[in-house]
Amino acid sequence: NAGVTQTPKFQVLKTGQSMTLQCAQDMNHNSMYWYRQDPGMGLRLIYYSASEGTTDKGEVPNGYNVSRLNKREFSLRLESAAPSQTSVYFCASSEQRESDTQYFGPGTRLTVL
Amino acid sequence: DQQVKQNSPSLSVQEGRISILNCDYTNSMFDYFLWYKKYPAEGPTFLISISSIKDKNEDGRFTVFLNKSAKHLSLHIVPSQPGDSAVYFCAASNFGNEKLTFGTGTRLTIIP
Repeated sequence: NAGVTQTPKFQVLKTGQSMTLQCAQDMNHNSMYWYRQDPGMGLRLIYYSASEGTTDKGEVPNGYNVSRLNKREFSLRLESAAPSQTSVYFCASSEQRESDTQYFGPGTRLTVL
Repeated sequence: DQQVKQNSPSLSVQEGRISILNCDYTNSMFDYFLWYKKYPAEGPTFLISISSIKDKNEDGRFTVFLNKSAKHLSLHIVPSQPGDSAVYFCAASNFGNEKLTFGTGTRLTIIP
């Protein structure tokens, strides 16, 4: 089992460019999440999906969109990147019926110039 | 409004001694607490959790203590090993509401 995988690992964008961060999990989990991690801020929830076909905003959703393509895949899109979106992005998944434990991918380091 | 607080950004401990990482929370609805460990350039990995019906949970060298009246939890690592050097995040949830609230993390350095 690969667990949670994310692509790409690194990305540099110019202000105004768009991109999609991909996430996939092979644990048959219902719930998936996108977080960003910034120095001194911990992990902040951007969006989450409790099940295929549903998505909800987290703490910091502005400037992002998400798609729960199927049970395995949950993508995060930046339509017009801004320097404030420079961060490390983590995807996670969990099986809510068992516990609130979330399992994380390795992260995508994004720099917006 | 930081609902989960880790007031020590860093902690240094000698190898073999006990490491104690602390976490405070303000939301009395939280009833499930977790600790995650994060190495550089990797995602956080789950370490140990505790439900509010318990006040202690052990897993090998790791023990989490929960003091509900003080809204405080702590992670004890004993004995500390060099591989324990990492950033530790505590997180809390109202079980079943699908979201975790994370603290800002404590960087633990184990000195050989």
